[in-house]
Amino acid sequence: DADVTQTPRNRITKTGKRIMLECSQTKGHDRMYWYRQDPGLGLRLIYYSFDVKDINKGEISDGYSVSRQAQAKFSLSLESAIPNQTALYFCATSDYGGETQYFGPGTRLLVL
Amino acid sequence: GESVGLHLPTLSVQEGDNSIINCAYSNSASDYFIWYKQESGKGPQFIIDIRSNMDKRQGQRVTVLLNKTVKHLSLQIAATQPGDSAVYFCAENMHGGSYIPTFGRGTSLIVHP
Repeated sequence: DADVTQTPRNRITKTGKRIMLECSQTKGHDRMYWYRQDPGLGLRLIYYSFDVKDINKGEISDGYSVSRQAQAKFSLSLESAIPNQTALYFCATSDYGGETQYFGPGTRLLVL
Repeated sequence: GESVGLHLPTLSVQEGDNSIINCAYSNSASDYFIWYKQESGKGPQFIIDIRSNMDKRQGQRVTVLLNKTVKHLSLQIAATQPGDSAVYFCAENMHGGSYIPTFGRGTSLIVHP
C-alpha cells in the first residue's frame, strides 16, 4: 500500500466551484506539504504544516486554504476555483528533520 | 507575471551511455541536497542525497557531485536505461529546524533504446 495517498487522482470542475483535495499518510510523519506543479515551472509550495496545530503559507497560497484534521490527514481547498489553478497538485510528508520528502501520486485538476 | 508552457531543459541519450544532469543552487547556507526522480504520472521519488561536508556520494548506478564553491550539483547516471527516462529535480535544504526545501525546475532525461 502507498504511504502517501491523494484523492481524487483526477478532477474536472467549473470556475467558481469549491473543491477539496485530500491527502493521507501512513508514514507517521509530523510534517505535511501541498505543492503545485505546472509545466516547466517545477514544484511550488502552497501550504505546509509541521504538526496538527501548525499551518503556514507557502509562496503561492492565495486562492487556497488547508486543514490539518489529524497527523495523518492534510486537505487542500480551492474556495472558488479559477482556470489559472489548473495544475498537478502534490502532497508530501517529511519527518521532524524535514530533509527528505515523500510525495503522493498527485491530483490532476482541470478548471473550466 | 507567470509564464506558462515553458519547456524543461532536456537531455537525450542513448541506452548504455552515461548521463550527467546539472543543477545550480542559490543559497550558500544550504547544507543538504537531494535528487528526486519523477516518472510520468507519478510523484517525485528520492534517489540520492548528499551533505555539504561531502563532495561526492555514490549509490547504485548514480553518483552525486557537489561543488560548494560554485554552488553546483550534478547527478551522474551510469549505463543509462530506458527506465531512467524521467524528470530529475534537485532540492536544497538546511539540516534540521524549520527549513523548507527549495526545488529546481527539473531536467527531462530521455533515453533512446
